[in-house]
Amino acid sequence: ETGVTQTPRHLVMGMTNKKSLKCEQHLGHNAMYWYKQSAKKPLELMFVYNFKEQTENNSVPSRFSPECPNSSHLFLHLHTLQPEDSALYLCASSANTGNAYGYTFGSGTRLTVV
Amino acid sequence: AQSVTQLDSQVPVFEEAPVELRCNYSSSVSVYLFWYVQYPNQGLQLLLKYLSGSTLVKGINGFEAEFNKSQTSFHLRKPSVHISDTAEYFCAVSDAAGGGADGLTFGKGTHLIIQP
Repeated sequence: ETGVTQTPRHLVMGMTNKKSLKCEQHLGHNAMYWYKQSAKKPLELMFVYNFKEQTENNSVPSRFSPECPNSSHLFLHLHTLQPEDSALYLCASSANTGNAYGYTFGSGTRLTVV
Repeated sequence: AQSVTQLDSQVPVFEEAPVELRCNYSSSVSVYLFWYVQYPNQGLQLLLKYLSGSTLVKGINGFEAEFNKSQTSFHLRKPSVHISDTAEYFCAVSDAAGGGADGLTFGKGTHLIIQP
């Protein structure tokens, strides 16, 4: 257990469904991130939150909607997804968005869109 | 903007043999460099990082990496691998002067396969 917990571990959803991914950390970190990991591609940064404020969205489609109610919790709301959105979604946290800090990653949510 | 190239998508090595995983980066500014490891069905775990100072960085599990600014490389090495080292290894780079809002830029990963 790394200190960053993601639920659910696996999710299968239809293209018309609405679901949410949850990430929780109790490491006292102030920054949280969503990354998308697709096969044979580099990890793609989706969203960055620092002290609950979004600082980067990296041109992610609006069918992905993040929410950060406090520094310990991060959600990714999903609706009307496409099959190409199937991937491993990783949450990470760090002490600050300053680049010298290493990231602590969760185990990910394996999403399959059918 | 930075980019990372991991030329080898897969590296097979016999157990107890040495290994080197290659990483080259491109950046117009000073950088921080990282290596992460991902075991099956898990997230990424930080192996080591270079921020400044000595160019030889030691990490967990017996791994080390050397920063070479002239060759823009940050290759990962281990003198003797074990079956448990079988995993995906990711090199990552970030802007040393940036505020961090753009996160880390990752390579595509290298799958290290340890053969008995």
